[in-house]
Amino acid sequence: AQKVTQAQTEISVVEKEDVTLDCVYETRDTTYYLFWYKQPPSGELVFLIRRNSFDEQNEISGRYSWNFQKSTSSFNFTITASQVVDSAVYFCALSNFGNEKLTFGTGTRLTIIP
Amino acid sequence: DGGITQSPKYLFRKEGQNVTLSCEQNLNHDAMYWYRQDPGQGLRLIYYSQIVNDFQKGDIAEGYSVSREKKESFPLTVTSAQKNPTAFYLCASSIEIWRRGMNTEAFFGQGTRLTVV
Repeated sequence: AQKVTQAQTEISVVEKEDVTLDCVYETRDTTYYLFWYKQPPSGELVFLIRRNSFDEQNEISGRYSWNFQKSTSSFNFTITASQVVDSAVYFCALSNFGNEKLTFGTGTRLTIIP
Repeated sequence: DGGITQSPKYLFRKEGQNVTLSCEQNLNHDAMYWYRQDPGQGLRLIYYSQIVNDFQKGDIAEGYSVSREKKESFPLTVTSAQKNPTAFYLCASSIEIWRRGMNTEAFFGQGTRLTVV
């Protein structure tokens, strides 16, 4: 069985602060994929990043960065210099290779206070 | 523009009635999915389909049915057997793994909010 845990239910930070969203996963497979999605108030899930289990390099995309550590089964997401438009629910998800079914965490609601 | 269209955005159903949620995609994706979202529970998979005329149950299929007669369409019927149907339903699609040799990201529609009255 696989599981994704997002222990932070809600986070509020003041605009321009940095914020890290935690994601811890469990899987027995050696090849798997991790994802982050953003859900703005409109409801649609927006894809942010995909990372396979063999690629532990950290990734940076503008103000977003991701820290993947297999040793701790974590795939954390950091937003630098947060903006009000970053306010949303963020989901971490996992799928095993060969199976597109996604297992989602319960999400973290991020509120950026102007 | 390519994408996934779900309709309607809001749906009200009386207890004991079946209701069908529409999902159409023009991304030429092979695989399609239905997820249910409840507050504090994340998304849970209801059904998925990897190819036309074939589909599999997800984690919470009881009380739901689907069909996949066309590649572009994957409608979900919420039957009267579903005990607690009030939820936000999201449809998604993705390219099949065999086309890319790796898992690919899913693209989501804007969802249908179903309320039982």
